[in-house]
Amino acid sequence: DIRMTQSPPSLSASVGDRVTITCRASQAISNDLAWFQQKPGKAPQSLIYGASTLQSGVPSKFRGSGSGTDFTLTITSLQPEDFATYYCQQYNDYPYTFGQGTKLEIK
Amino acid sequence: QITLKESGPTLVKPTQTLTLTCTFSGFSLTTTGVGVGWIRQPPGEALEWLALIYWNDQKRFSPSLGSRLTITKDTSKNQVVLTMTNVDPVDTGTYYCAYRFRAAGIWRSFDPWGPGTLVTVSS
Repeated sequence: DIRMTQSPPSLSASVGDRVTITCRASQAISNDLAWFQQKPGKAPQSLIYGASTLQSGVPSKFRGSGSGTDFTLTITSLQPEDFATYYCQQYNDYPYTFGQGTKLEIK
Repeated sequence: QITLKESGPTLVKPTQTLTLTCTFSGFSLTTTGVGVGWIRQPPGEALEWLALIYWNDQKRFSPSLGSRLTITKDTSKNQVVLTMTNVDPVDTGTYYCAYRFRAAGIWRSFDPWGPGTLVTVSS
């Protein structure tokens, strides 16, 4: 299985800040990487697929980058609704695997 | 608009078989390049992919669940059914189904997801 390692596990930031979450795959996955946002009690929502392509309707404040084994999700100008848990997921090979999540909290 | 919704029992006893149904609208599982997946999430933990079924009836499963999983589709009812045998308390969690498709030869990630259904395994 491909292991997805996210860092940091948690992150404290203020409204207006810019934050970066990283995701590392245990082997190369090309750009077959997605990012999801999950709020408490809700289903995950897709933000990015193909490592850097925004899903329709997702604001440009979310930016994904990377290829191969190292990926990042950058969120600019944090707003209260952005505080959530973020997951990466690889779909390059079965079994599909998720990172352990990064909980973004308000400082 | 594509929507999915999971349904099934909220409480299952250990060793029993769990059957979950994903009822969807806005697409057909007879369309080339379309799939429906199942993902679960134990309380307070990360997401775990379980299974996928495609328009051509190709099926993929998480090896960690071994032969405990089956997945089928009923295209006339717009439903996908996931069956998990011999459940254990560690199978407690929220189960989601989600849509994925291939556009211009490129597969996209799971989007959208159903709201999820919480399943508790307990005697």
